[in-house]
Amino acid sequence: DGGITQSPKYLFRKEGQNVTLSCEQNLNHDAMYWYRQDPGQGLRLIYYSQIVNDFQKGDIAEGYSVSREKKESFPLTVTSAQKNPTAFYLCASSTVVAVRNTGELFFGEGSRLTVL
Amino acid sequence: DAKTTQPPSMDCAEGRAANLPCNHSTISGNEYVYWYRQIHSQGPQYIIHGLKNNETNEMASLIITEDRKSSTLILPHATLRDTAVYYCIVRVRDTGRRALTFGSGTRLQVQP
Repeated sequence: DGGITQSPKYLFRKEGQNVTLSCEQNLNHDAMYWYRQDPGQGLRLIYYSQIVNDFQKGDIAEGYSVSREKKESFPLTVTSAQKNPTAFYLCASSTVVAVRNTGELFFGEGSRLTVL
Repeated sequence: DAKTTQPPSMDCAEGRAANLPCNHSTISGNEYVYWYRQIHSQGPQYIIHGLKNNETNEMASLIITEDRKSSTLILPHATLRDTAVYYCIVRVRDTGRRALTFGSGTRLQVQP
């Protein structure tokens, strides 16, 4: 089945450690996104990418980094510079045409990061 | 993109229609209204979108007022599985360089 796979589902890390969250899609979508969600809050955009080897900062990019070496993969690294990294992280993808017209995004199941 | 206002929470009896309001009084002519929902600890799911005409699909109906300053998402026969946070989003079409912005939404609790 086509879809978006995020891993790991749950992750614990110590302060000062970098951690990388995986996001893979087999939908042949051009655009991919990373959102962060804190308890009881909406989603905030971290980074997005519309084509391979290109990405843009979202609203809260500080302390995060991404890469887009392959169309199907958009990993997110939470660095030690991120002051409060404990959150629920969501990856999404879409065709560029869908983003411009219907706005439909397809989301993964999320990764819950806890910093101890 | 225009700001939206939604009630933080609502209850609905199972089998009844759930009517979720959204206020977007500053909406401009080229902005669409989108609805997503997020079931607990899952990624959001697209429901429906519209510009000015009412829209219906297999999940829900979207009613947009004539002046486009508000809209209502209708789940005609709510089930327990419809318990979720519902997000109303307004966005300009053709802004392919930006993703959707999700606010706090309305937490709908369907009661048995």
